[in-house]
Amino acid sequence: GQNIDQPTEMTATEGAIVQINCTYQTSGFNGLFWYQQHAGEAPTFLSYNVLDGLEEKGRFSSFLSRSKGYSYLLLKELQMKDSASYLCAASPSGGYNKLIFGAGTRLAVHP
Amino acid sequence: NAGVTQTPKFRILKIGQSMTLQCTQDMNHNYMYWYRQDPGMGLKLIYYSVGAGITDKGEVPNGYNVSRSTTEDFPLRLELAAPSQTSVYFCASSYGTSHLDTQYFGPGTRLTVL
Repeated sequence: GQNIDQPTEMTATEGAIVQINCTYQTSGFNGLFWYQQHAGEAPTFLSYNVLDGLEEKGRFSSFLSRSKGYSYLLLKELQMKDSASYLCAASPSGGYNKLIFGAGTRLAVHP
Repeated sequence: NAGVTQTPKFRILKIGQSMTLQCTQDMNHNYMYWYRQDPGMGLKLIYYSVGAGITDKGEVPNGYNVSRSTTEDFPLRLELAAPSQTSVYFCASSYGTSHLDTQYFGPGTRLTVL
């Protein structure tokens, strides 16, 4: 079967660093995406990983280990506006850019 | 560019009624998708299209129909609405030039079936 697992909720303090983990099992694998979704809004693209290793984009970094079926999203220098859900999504074989989404991790950033 | 637009933003239906959720993109994307998102759950793919005249089922197609007569538009039809179809519906699109193209999402339609 195809499955994406990520923690349901996390809390962190403004200015801190938080790591959101994601494990996946898919029929084949093309890459791993991270999306941010504020309450009541549409998901917006953050990053994707194809090869093993770390991809850095400003305060956000994403890591992938294909052999372990594991990824994480690292958020540095947390700001209040980072309070949102973070969706992990895997692209299985078969093309057409189809994605399998996890349930999302709801992050609350406190002052 | 408006990106991906969806109408209506909100809708309440009675059981057994029908409606069409509209989706339009102005980015000349080849691929378009319909997802539903239930509270506390991930996005589930309902239908997708890889070009005008070509559609296929996703994970949860039952109770829905789609058509794609133009590149820009991808309407989702609900026939005989049921309470289980209460959800937030998102339309998305991507270029379709690579299997790792980013999907861009519309603002969503919140549907309640009573």
